[in-house]
Amino acid sequence: DTGVSQNPRHKITKRGQNVTFRCDPISEHNRLYWYRQTLGQGPEFLTYFQNEAQLEKSRLLSDRFSAERPKGSFSTLEIQRTEQGDSAMYLCASSEDGGYTFGSGTRLTVV
Amino acid sequence: SQQGEEDPQALSIQEGENATMNCSYKTSINNLQWYRQNSGRGLVHLILIRSNEREKHSGRLRVTLDTSKKSSSLLITASRAADTASYFCATDARNQGGKLIFGQGTELSVKP
Repeated sequence: DTGVSQNPRHKITKRGQNVTFRCDPISEHNRLYWYRQTLGQGPEFLTYFQNEAQLEKSRLLSDRFSAERPKGSFSTLEIQRTEQGDSAMYLCASSEDGGYTFGSGTRLTVV
Repeated sequence: SQQGEEDPQALSIQEGENATMNCSYKTSINNLQWYRQNSGRGLVHLILIRSNEREKHSGRLRVTLDTSKKSSSLLITASRAADTASYFCATDARNQGGKLIFGQGTELSVKP
């Protein structure tokens, strides 16, 4: 598989529960990005990794959000104590020298 | 906050017509990229234009970049119903680690 893979595709959770999403980037890409997209809006940057180092986090990433990229390979995004406002599409992308490839996203619905 | 602003927000045309979408941004950039997104799906990269380029073509797509006006346009010629989607511009701003800042998008509807 040469693309960016995200799992799960859809997640419905009750408010207050924790959720974790996974992203498998293109193997030779050293940068990995997480974005969030709400209905009718463009994607908003959340955080990015250069290999295993998390280099930047957006102000959108509250302390309930945590992202990891162990060993510089796949990445996980965890949301603790989910709120209805967390409902969105969470997109992952990997990049090498400016060329981006996005995954299909994980759609989170918090009920 | 979003870097780019796009207009129009929505565009409805007939098959065969051309569609033009515009994007403005605020800071110096390394490059500007255009993406397409079908409803509920991920983003598909269409074309990248570097800051030292003024025009680029890819099939039925033509992108222009005017760094003095901080604006770009995407032209889709001879549109097809299958071009119906949302189109986003995204800027790779200088000294920002390669992260992309997206506009709010143009929703294109091509009627057969």
